[in-house]
Amino acid sequence: EVQLVESGGGLVQPGRSLRLSCTASGFTFGDYAMSWVRQAPGKGLEWVGFIRSKAYGGTTEYAASVKGRFTISRDDSKSIAYLQMNSLKTEDTAVYYCTRDSGYYGSGSYWYYYYMDVWGKGTTVTVSS
Amino acid sequence: DIQMTQSPSSLSASVGDRVTITCRASQGISNYLAWFQQKPGKAPKSLIYAASSLQSGVPSKFSGSGSGTDFTLTISSLQPEDFATYYCQQYNSYPWTFGQGTKVEIK
Repeated sequence: EVQLVESGGGLVQPGRSLRLSCTASGFTFGDYAMSWVRQAPGKGLEWVGFIRSKAYGGTTEYAASVKGRFTISRDDSKSIAYLQMNSLKTEDTAVYYCTRDSGYYGSGSYWYYYYMDVWGKGTTVTVSS
Repeated sequence: DIQMTQSPSSLSASVGDRVTITCRASQGISNYLAWFQQKPGKAPKSLIYAASSLQSGVPSKFSGSGSGTDFTLTISSLQPEDFATYYCQQYNSYPWTFGQGTKVEIK
């Protein structure tokens, strides 16, 4: 069974750091890109960032709201994706989900497109003094 | 950034109804669009990618259509387990962006 399990959430003071983990099972982790998506209390979904598989460079993309503060990385030997969150703000309070991302070449295109296909259950991060 | 706008924001429907949700992109995104379902207190579930391709295991009562800027998600015969919030999301370009959600409630 394909499964993603997030961990590492908790209560943290503004300005501090926290690292979330996403542990994958049931598929070959290294073959897939991974994303993080968050949902503030009572709000909609917000994409946080993304990391490609090593075969596609292992590079990352980020939302403007977290760029320079958050870093996504991966350890394929452990099947874990990480979200390092620094300089946390109260507005970062949310449930954080990791997703597995599958990809394909667009029709008539050189570009490789990714879409989210499997979601974890999420971990809650509360930033408060 | 590409803005995604869903309509309506909420709707009330009865079991057995056919329901259609619309998603509009602020610029053309070809068919690089996904739909997700989220029930209260639960993680989102992937329903559709590439505007009309069903994710594995998703029942055929769900269908998607559209290209360019206008897209629809249709539930052919609403069942009790379908009452949830639905989100569209574009993956044509970064940053990926979601619609604000459409809450489907029981009439």
